[in-house]
Amino acid sequence: DAGITQSPRHKVTETGTPVTLRCHQTENHRYMYWYRQDPGHGLRLIHYSYGVKDTDKGEVSDGYSVSRSKTEDFLLTLESATSSQTSVYFCAISPAPGDTEAFFGQGTRLTVV
Amino acid sequence: LAKTTQPVSMDSYEGQEVNITCSHNNIATNDYITWYQQFPSQGPRFIIQGYKTKVTNEVASLFIPADRKSSTLSLPRVSLSDTAVYYCLVASRVGTGGFKTIFGAGTRLFVKA
Repeated sequence: DAGITQSPRHKVTETGTPVTLRCHQTENHRYMYWYRQDPGHGLRLIHYSYGVKDTDKGEVSDGYSVSRSKTEDFLLTLESATSSQTSVYFCAISPAPGDTEAFFGQGTRLTVV
Repeated sequence: LAKTTQPVSMDSYEGQEVNITCSHNNIATNDYITWYQQFPSQGPRFIIQGYKTKVTNEVASLFIPADRKSSTLSLPRVSLSDTAVYYCLVASRVGTGGFKTIFGAGTRLFVKA
């Protein structure tokens, strides 16, 4: 399996609090992605990064921010968590250029109460 | 980004060939078609990708007609362990490499003994 680790794996937090999820890779891949998965929606892209300090929005980026200060780490922050952000969050990495194969982490289950 | 449409669910029996068809009417010239498999509580896993005609690897085949508006994933001789959700997605190139993708809701395949 690709060297990709998400932390924490499970988290319960209160509405209105900030939350940061971490994705760490040991593959030195350029591209990193954050997805959320909800029943009936498959996976939806939140943000992605195409290099250190280079990030862009996905299809459901409102309420989320990301940072990538090192190749190996991609952080997803919920600035003020809401119940609608209760979900399973997946990080993915892919080598570049020209490769569509992405490797996914095991996911983080976040519950906002 | 092109969206995809695929069956919600399919049933099969062990040893049978399973074909899952996906439509992607708005696929762009430079887009690739990719399929992933996901088991419960795990991240998606890459199965196969293609651009046109037929691609085969050790686990599946992918058939893409000339107009590229649909694709069919073929799983030969499925086993119980192939019970999973299968996602068809279109990957669009971003920046100078790497791809951005939209996952649909997937097809839940249930293989029976």
